Amino acid sequence: DTGVSQNPRHKITKRGQNVTFRCDPISEHNRLYWYRQTLGQGPEFLTYFQNEAQLEKSRLLSDRFSAERPKGSFSTLEIQRTEQGDSAMYLCASSETTGTDYGYTFGSGTRLTVV
Amino acid sequence: GDSVTQMEGPVTLSEEAFLTINCTYTATGYPSLFWYVQYPGEGLQLLLKATKADDKGSNKGFEATYRKETTSFHLEKGSVQVSDSAVYFCALSRNSGNTPLVFGKGTRLSVIA
Repeated sequence: DTGVSQNPRHKITKRGQNVTFRCDPISEHNRLYWYRQTLGQGPEFLTYFQNEAQLEKSRLLSDRFSAERPKGSFSTLEIQRTEQGDSAMYLCASSETTGTDYGYTFGSGTRLTVV
Repeated sequence: GDSVTQMEGPVTLSEEAFLTINCTYTATGYPSLFWYVQYPGEGLQLLLKATKADDKGSNKGFEATYRKETTSFHLEKGSVQVSDSAVYFCALSRNSGNTPLVFGKGTRLSVIA
């Protein structure tokens, strides 16, 4: 297993365009999380899934943001009508829900720049 | 709501110096506490964790003790190395974990030879 994979690594888009990011979690992990990290700040929670069910969404997740996890495997995060304030690193993480040695594994992130 | 406050950086130390990065939290119930590290150009990695009061997490020479009475989880290392240069994040998770993490803003550590 190669860990949590995120694609693309970098994305530059013009304001108003739509973008989609993909996250492939560790295969046996049933929980998947999305975070956003801006420069000089810690990651902020956006949303998470258990299998294909979206269990929680942060107030940060405006109507322009949508996340899916069809079939409980990979996940996509789409941002519609991007704004300059959406520029950030988008992080994905996955974890198990059983056992005591839980812990997140983070991907390397997708850096979004809106120009 | 839940929150984590950690000392602002950057912190610059000479090799072999003692390191402390302060972290305090506000949470209802009994959160689990974590330190994550982000090396330049890499993703977040779990450094250590503690799941109940008075637990001590340790890894790679780093330690942190869950202090419920002071709501703190300070990170310490007795002798830092240049390779420890990174950004360190304190975080908490409600209940027993596997719920969304709440992170502090991070503390950048630079260790000079």
